[in-house]
Amino acid sequence: GAGVSQTPSNKVTEKGKYVELRCDPISGHTALYWYRQSLGQGPEFLIYFQGTGAADDSGLPNDRFFAVRPEGSVSTLKIQRTERGDSAVYLCASSLKGDTTDTQYFGPGTRLTVL
Amino acid sequence: AQKVTQAQTEISVVEKEDVTLDCVYETRDTTYYLFWYKQPPSGELVFLIRRNSFDEQNEISGRYSWNFQKSTSSFNFTITASQVVDSAVYFCALQNNDYKLSFGAGTTVTVRA
Repeated sequence: GAGVSQTPSNKVTEKGKYVELRCDPISGHTALYWYRQSLGQGPEFLIYFQGTGAADDSGLPNDRFFAVRPEGSVSTLKIQRTERGDSAVYLCASSLKGDTTDTQYFGPGTRLTVL
Repeated sequence: AQKVTQAQTEISVVEKEDVTLDCVYETRDTTYYLFWYKQPPSGELVFLIRRNSFDEQNEISGRYSWNFQKSTSSFNFTITASQVVDSAVYFCALQNNDYKLSFGAGTTVTVRA
């Protein structure tokens, strides 16, 4: 079946602009995660959704970052007033139930470049 | 606190050589899970293996094998008879008794023909 998809694959924006990154999880997966991967580093956790609610947003770096998942499927990560330091690859993952028996499956990521 | 260390930044081998990737982890939990993911140039993280802390059996899958040793907090990964298609960044990750994955910095493997 189809894996996790993310759009756009690349996004270039100017400092101060607003961006939205979209994630479409594997069908039937109730849990969805966002991670951020800076150059030369491993992914770092941002936020976890169980269904429609954000169960853990402790990894969001500040209040410029926000994510939604209104119908429990597609999620959008929103970044306001972008800064050059926000440049990274934003990875989305989904899993079946969201508990420790699950494996997270990742999408191809969105490469965000803030000029 | 949990931490994953992949001390090798880059490894370069010639095709058909074996390559072993080291992973050392730190956790205070007694129940935890260890993973390896592959990130080819396309960027997508591909799941390779999951191991829970109570199962120390080594595992082999084709040319891939994993050596889990709780005594040294290590979960090493070996690619036997490497191929050019194995060229990628490999990440080791730790999950405690929750849902967050903590990743190491990754090891870049280059296999030359």
